[in-house]
Amino acid sequence: DTAVSQTPKYLVTQMGNDKSIKCEQNLGHDTMYWYKQDSKKFLKIMFSYNNKELIINETVPNRFSPKSPDKAHLNLHINSLELGDSAVYFCASSQDPSGGVNEKLFFGSGTQLSVL
Amino acid sequence: GDSVTQMEGPVTLSEEAFLTINCTYTATGYPSLFWYVQYPGEGLQLLLKATKADDKGSNKGFEATYRKETTSFHLEKGSVQVSDSAVYFCALSRNTGKLIFGQGTTLQVKP
Repeated sequence: DTAVSQTPKYLVTQMGNDKSIKCEQNLGHDTMYWYKQDSKKFLKIMFSYNNKELIINETVPNRFSPKSPDKAHLNLHINSLELGDSAVYFCASSQDPSGGVNEKLFFGSGTQLSVL
Repeated sequence: GDSVTQMEGPVTLSEEAFLTINCTYTATGYPSLFWYVQYPGEGLQLLLKATKADDKGSNKGFEATYRKETTSFHLEKGSVQVSDSAVYFCALSRNTGKLIFGQGTTLQVKP
């Protein structure tokens, strides 16, 4: 069983479209994250949720809206896609929202979004 | 603000060579430090970590020591294998659940 799974793996779409990426974790973790990896492989946090509540929002355009229906799922909806949104988006989860000495993130395998 | 800087890649080595990937950080106080590895087509996996000065993290033959005096956390391995080919990320955290990553270093190991 995959611990953190995200779909789709690849997403190719036109500018201006709206798309969603889904993420599910079966680890029983309370905290989930979205990270964005650009073409130079630089990774940056976008959001984190703890038990369905938003706890980190890193100056992301409001075209990006995370939704957490339950603590095992964190979906990412993107409105009015732009060329600059092309990247790999990684979902992750952890047990402890405050990090702490036992902090360990489990990552999904990524969704490669290409906006044409 | 906090930041992490890694050596530029790609790093290309022959099998059984010695590996060093440099990582330095800028932060006040004592953040926790991590190395994550990303194999082709996969998500990141935690490789090792250190939570206080002079701690050494180790896993799968890789080691890194938390050096407060030089604000560094260099990754080393005595003898690399082809299967170690991946992208390596240094990261720090202030125990807020937010990881700050370096730009990643691609390692290519040739037989």
